[in-house]
Amino acid sequence: NAGVTQTPKFQVLKTGQSMTLQCAQDMNHNSMYWYRQDPGMGLRLIYYSASEGTTDKGEVPNGYNVSRLNKREFSLRLESAAPSQTSVYFCASSEFGGGARNEQFFGPGTRLTVL
Amino acid sequence: EDKVVQSPLSLVVHEGDTVTLNCSYEVTNFRSLLWYKQEKKAPTFLFMLTSSGIEKKSGRLSSILDKKELFSILNITATQTGDSAIYLCAVPPAGGTSYGKLTFGQGTILTVHP
Repeated sequence: NAGVTQTPKFQVLKTGQSMTLQCAQDMNHNSMYWYRQDPGMGLRLIYYSASEGTTDKGEVPNGYNVSRLNKREFSLRLESAAPSQTSVYFCASSEFGGGARNEQFFGPGTRLTVL
Repeated sequence: EDKVVQSPLSLVVHEGDTVTLNCSYEVTNFRSLLWYKQEKKAPTFLFMLTSSGIEKKSGRLSSILDKKELFSILNITATQTGDSAIYLCAVPPAGGTSYGKLTFGQGTILTVHP
């Protein structure tokens, strides 16, 4: 099992460019998440998908869109990148989104720099 | 709005020391609290504490939950350089349609010197 995979690992964009971060999991999990991590801020949820076919906003959704392509894949799109979106992006998945048990498995992250 | 605060934000110790990391939380209808360890890349799951299990232990790591005072501590005894990492705690929402929207604390950066 590869677990949660993300591509690319690194990316440099110019302000205004667009890009899509890809995420896939092979654990047959129902729920998937996108986080960003900035120094001193912990992990902040951008969007999540409780199950295939559903998506919902997290804490910091502005400037992002997502697509739950199928049960395995959950992509994050930046339509017009801004320097404030420079961050490390993590994708995660969990078997279920609700309930007391909510262990999330994380991908290796994408380090994005917007100039 | 759920809130999770960790302290200290950073900690530097020497091998063999014992450390205590703190996590306080404010949530409506507590369900569980999770601890993660983040080394160079992705966070990895350490413990989950629920109302029915207020103490967990794995090797040199142990965690306690105090539901009355709304905090959890993570203890690491006989620290090693491999324990150097960011330690994150998180709480899930009360339920309903919030699903898996974990709220994370800022993290504690632990550095263990030889």
